[in-house]
Amino acid sequence: NAGVTQTPKFQVLKTGQSMTLQCAQDMNHEYMSWYRQDPGMGLRLIHYSVGAGITDQGEVPNGYNVSRSTTEDFPLRLLSAAPSQTSVYFCASSTRTSGISDTQYFGPGTRLTVL
Amino acid sequence: QQQVKQSPQSLIVQKGGISIINCAYENTAFDYFPWYQQFPGKGPALLIAIRPDVSEKKEGRFTISFNKSAKQFSLHIMDSQPGDSATYFCAAKRGGHTDKLIFGTGTRLQVFP
Repeated sequence: NAGVTQTPKFQVLKTGQSMTLQCAQDMNHEYMSWYRQDPGMGLRLIHYSVGAGITDQGEVPNGYNVSRSTTEDFPLRLLSAAPSQTSVYFCASSTRTSGISDTQYFGPGTRLTVL
Repeated sequence: QQQVKQSPQSLIVQKGGISIINCAYENTAFDYFPWYQQFPGKGPALLIAIRPDVSEKKEGRFTISFNKSAKQFSLHIMDSQPGDSATYFCAAKRGGHTDKLIFGTGTRLQVFP
């Protein structure tokens, strides 16, 4: 299994440009999430999905869109990039379970710089 | 509004020493408390987790201590090694399949030989 994969690894955008960060998982996990990581602020949830066709907002959703047409893929779209969106973005997936395993499996991240 | 407060922000420990990272939470409905470890350039990975029905959980050199009445939990790394140098995040989650993990702000641990 490849686990959670993210592309691209690095990206530089100009203010106002749009782009899509790709995320895929091959573990058949129901849940997928997008986080951003900024110095001193930890990991903050942007959007999440509990299954194909179902998405919801997290803590910092403004400026981002998501869709979940398949179980495997969960792309994150930046509509009009702003310097405040400069960050490292992580995609994560987890399985629905009532047991101890609420483990989130993270991808390797995309480092985005908006000039 | 920070629901999970983590300290210290950074920690320097000598090889063989004990590293201690603390977290405090506010929501008494939280019932799952994991710690994630992140190496530079990598995504976080689950290290160890605890539920509030126990006060301590140990896995190798890593121990979570949990104090339900104080709403605090901590990570202890015994015999710290240079390979433990990483950023550590505590987190908390309420019960229920759709509830989300709330992360602390992270602690950068450096272990010197």
